[in-house]
Amino acid sequence: SQQGEEDPQALSIQEGENATMNCSYKTSINNLQWYRQNSGRGLVHLILIRSNEREKHSGRLRVTLDTSKKSSSLLITASRAADTASYFCATDPRNAGNNRKLIWGLGTSLAVNP
Amino acid sequence: DAGVIQSPRHEVTEMGQEVTLRCKPISGHDYLFWYRQTMMRGLELLIYFNNNVPIDDSGMPEDRFSAKMPNASFSTLKIQPSEPRDSAVYFCASSFSPRGVAFFGQGTRLTVV
Repeated sequence: SQQGEEDPQALSIQEGENATMNCSYKTSINNLQWYRQNSGRGLVHLILIRSNEREKHSGRLRVTLDTSKKSSSLLITASRAADTASYFCATDPRNAGNNRKLIWGLGTSLAVNP
Repeated sequence: DAGVIQSPRHEVTEMGQEVTLRCKPISGHDYLFWYRQTMMRGLELLIYFNNNVPIDDSGMPEDRFSAKMPNASFSTLKIQPSEPRDSAVYFCASSFSPRGVAFFGQGTRLTVV
């Protein structure tokens, strides 16, 4: 089963509005990543936030991490039609032993309407 | 670098046929991953390699699936015999570390009829 769970599953907004997506996870992590997937394409890395970081910015993207709540949020400001995509979180579990692999969420589908 | 290259982009095959998917990772990446993506199950890790050696194949669904990495620049995922439930998008990704930033290919959309 996937550790990361994004919500909402789907989000529809108007161009220019902000979009917020959330990711919750179950176990302690070393870091958390966000990826974007445009329709029919592969996933593209957006941002990585480490467990000792609380907030990170990249252009119009802002990611926050609350390790006490085991959750992260991805905020896209001033959204554009080109931001229409699915967004996934992936966690790097701490104390995973030999199970050295990312754990993926099921994604949030974002539609930005012109 | 051209990124991770997968071929073919689309494959339609009949049930029972053998299917081979190909991947060329980014040069210098020590890790290569094969994922399967479906609407129902999301993104599933099938197998990953480190320096051409399979490390974790616990995600490979059945013996019908096999993967090889004969050298640092090439990997294959083979399904023999294929079944309709294997229809999915298969992604190859490569990385410098097993849980670091992964670079994905464009995927192979497999349809088994």
